[in-house]
Amino acid sequence: NAGVTQTPKFQVLKTGQSMTLQCAQDMNHNSMYWYRQDPGMGLRLIYYSASEGTTDKGEVPNGYNVSRLNKREFSLRLESAAPSQTSVYFCASSGVNRNTEAFFGQGTRLTVV
Amino acid sequence: QKEVEQNSGPLSVPEGAIASLNCTYSDRGSQSFFWYRQYSGKSPELIMSIYSNGDKEDGRFTAQLNKASQYVSLLIRDSQPSDSATYLCAVKTGGFKTIFGAGTRLFVKA
Repeated sequence: NAGVTQTPKFQVLKTGQSMTLQCAQDMNHNSMYWYRQDPGMGLRLIYYSASEGTTDKGEVPNGYNVSRLNKREFSLRLESAAPSQTSVYFCASSGVNRNTEAFFGQGTRLTVV
Repeated sequence: QKEVEQNSGPLSVPEGAIASLNCTYSDRGSQSFFWYRQYSGKSPELIMSIYSNGDKEDGRFTAQLNKASQYVSLLIRDSQPSDSATYLCAVKTGGFKTIFGAGTRLFVKA
């Protein structure tokens, strides 16, 4: 049982380049999330998808777009990367019930130079 | 005001002592509350969840919830060096968002 799988694990981009972070879960969860984690800032919600076909902005959505491709997959796209987007990105998923916790992928360490 | 607030620490306790971690939240409609532990360079992992006012115990861990005061806490008894990590408080709102606090770094000294 793989849980939540993110790719890639590491990435270096030049300012202005674009890329897509991929995330897939095999737990049949309805909700999926993208967070970024910066030193001293904890996990900040970028976008979330409560169910297939819906996406909503979180705390820090600027500079990002997302696609909920199907129930399993939720991708995060940076159209024009900026140094301020250097961070560790985590994808997570959870069940629809209130008492289900979030399960996390292993994270993507992104550096924008 | 941030939706979920924690003291960033670091909190340093001697081995065998009780570590007390605190969290406040702003959305009165929040229904579910979680404590995650995150080791350096790793993903967060769930250690406790709580949904009703009062205490919930699981081994050396006790979570406490007071919805009237919008306050959640985590007590770690008999702290061990292996408990040294960042502890993240998370709140699941009625809109299915899970919002995290900035985390409290805990150091347990041998």
